[in-house]
Amino acid sequence: AQSVTQLGSHVSVSEGALVLLRCNYSSSVPPYLFWYVQYPNQGLQLLLKYTTGATLVKGINGFEAEFKKSETSFHLTKPSAHMSDAAEYFCAVSLNTGNQFYFGTGTSLTVIP
Amino acid sequence: ETGVTQSPTHLIKTRGQQVTLRCSSQSGHNTVSWYQQALGQGPQFIFQYYREEENGRGNFPPRFSGLQFPNYSSELNVNALELDDSALYLCASSLARGGHSGNTIYFGEGSWLTVV
Repeated sequence: AQSVTQLGSHVSVSEGALVLLRCNYSSSVPPYLFWYVQYPNQGLQLLLKYTTGATLVKGINGFEAEFKKSETSFHLTKPSAHMSDAAEYFCAVSLNTGNQFYFGTGTSLTVIP
Repeated sequence: ETGVTQSPTHLIKTRGQQVTLRCSSQSGHNTVSWYQQALGQGPQFIFQYYREEENGRGNFPPRFSGLQFPNYSSELNVNALELDDSALYLCASSLARGGHSGNTIYFGEGSWLTVV
């Protein structure tokens, strides 16, 4: 069975500080991993994804994530938070043989001026 | 802007009624998935349609049904609405089924359904 766990439903950082949002997954087969962002009253926007190859992936808006198979993790980071980063962030996994995405419960990021 | 459009954006229904939500997928995408996102939760997979046929279903009862049309647009129908059906319903389109090659899915902005 596949599942995604996001540690910390709420994270607060100061503007300019490091952003670290945690995601761990369980999967019976090698997964594809995604981070999506959701702004208030909007749908989900893809930040970045890992499929194969380089384990450090870069996304939009300065975000990046590293796939660590040994830790079954795919944490999202950004060196310097901006006020516009305040949103809900979802980690998701899909399988190369499957037809659905499994989402975590989300992490709400607050950026303090 | 993902190119996935959903309607209506907000609606209120009474328990026991039926609702139809609509989705136009991104141009060229032949696969549509529907997700339910309850307040404070991550999206939950309802089902997926590929070339007009259901191609997988999540843990939702049969009163949740769908259609995909030849132009790849889609409908989600929910019968006998219950209070717990209140949620944001997200439509997502993709170029191919499932996670093939880590296929990216593009979400619409959703339809907010409130059941009273």
